[in-house]
Amino acid sequence: GAVVSQHPSWVICKSGTSVKIECRSLDFQATTMFWYRQFPKQSLMLMATSNEGSKATYEQGVEKDKFLINHASLTLSTLTVTSAHPEDSSFYICSASPTPGQNVFFGSGTQLSVL
Amino acid sequence: SQQGEEDPQALSIQEGENATMNCSYKTSINNLQWYRQNSGRGLVHLILIRSNEREKHSGRLRVTLDTSKKSSSLLITASRAADTASYFCAPSGSARQLTFGSGTQLTVLP
Repeated sequence: GAVVSQHPSWVICKSGTSVKIECRSLDFQATTMFWYRQFPKQSLMLMATSNEGSKATYEQGVEKDKFLINHASLTLSTLTVTSAHPEDSSFYICSASPTPGQNVFFGSGTQLSVL
Repeated sequence: SQQGEEDPQALSIQEGENATMNCSYKTSINNLQWYRQNSGRGLVHLILIRSNEREKHSGRLRVTLDTSKKSSSLLITASRAADTASYFCAPSGSARQLTFGSGTQLTVLP
């Protein structure tokens, strides 16, 4: 079945540094990928929609300058958390669909810890 | 990974009617979540029901869970045209990676 690969699985960084998270669709092309954030014991919160070849669409309350999204190819989207602070510590997860609106596959997620 | 399978694949109703969609899964779970996805948009969380709960309400949504049958249902009452979307269930256990099924495409006709 379709697989979405996310890397890294976990990252620990110092406050003020930037962290890049990759999301790849391994056996299908995805013109659209989605980025979510999940706090402990809470549900996924949609952050932004990554569109191949164009600007990402951010949900209300999500700072686009803080969370930079690049979708340079049909199989790769990246989320960069810039100047990370401890409050950015969270579980970040991406998703994609071979067919929009159907069969949604999620990556394994990235646990970010900012010291 | 754990996967939920939604049924029916497509449902078309008139505005004001109730919509019921079902979800079946195979493994033991800690909770089950329902999400909706509007065309071209990401999944939006609707409601979470824990394995020790049988029914939960949120506005016009009612979710039931039968762990003995490994099934759940989502009822949307007094549907509106804006409810038109795809609906997915996500059974969640120990596995971190989620795989959703093909969803139920709900169309509410004005």
